[in-house]
Amino acid sequence: QVQLQESGPGLVKPSGTLSLTCAVSGGSISSSNWWTWVRQPPGKGLEWIGEIYHSGSTNYKPSLKSRVTISVDKSKNQFSLRLRSVTAADTAVYYCARAPDIVTPHFTNAFDIWGQGTLVTVSS
Amino acid sequence: QSVLTQPPSASGTPGQRVTISCSGSRSNIGTNTVNWYQQFPGTTPKLLIYTNNQRPSGVPDRFSGSKSGTSASLAISGLQSEDEADYFCATWDDSLNGQLFGGGTKLTVL
Repeated sequence: QVQLQESGPGLVKPSGTLSLTCAVSGGSISSSNWWTWVRQPPGKGLEWIGEIYHSGSTNYKPSLKSRVTISVDKSKNQFSLRLRSVTAADTAVYYCARAPDIVTPHFTNAFDIWGQGTLVTVSS
Repeated sequence: QSVLTQPPSASGTPGQRVTISCSGSRSNIGTNTVNWYQQFPGTTPKLLIYTNNQRPSGVPDRFSGSKSGTSASLAISGLQSEDEADYFCATWDDSLNGQLFGGGTKLTVL
């Protein structure tokens, strides 16, 4: 049973960099999955941030692309999120999730396994 | 404001059938499949429906999904009190080259 676990600082200063890691257990990060970051501001809806394949291929939300980097570390079986120049608007619960790769065109990858989420607050 | 539009709230009484809509456009729902997620307060989202109308193992058949044109719907029949949760639709958008979530619908069981 694959499990995901987020880790990282719960408090980041404005203009700083948010860094989170998602550890994958019970399976290989080199399997046919897209490894994804989703966030949810308090009391609000879900927002897709971006995804990475074990090959290193990435897709990012356009409005965040200039500030986001998602990377994978196969040796540690984990993937990471870096979000630069954060503001209070980046305060949210950050989830990592797995989406099995669906090769068929026009099929939206579904997030079948989620981490428990970690709250990151941007404040001085 | 989300590109995928859901009603902010929906309600029904036990045993009723409730439908939650998700409206998009040609570049997202009109082209790609739709997934639905269920989230209880303070908990992690759970995949409820994938590829428009498929249920993961363990999801009761009271939950069903459909898609027509640029809209999708989640139907819950035989409504139960434990169905009270937030529901989100999601799909890929070819114009944005990214995945989108609807704004979410809070379902209340009266």
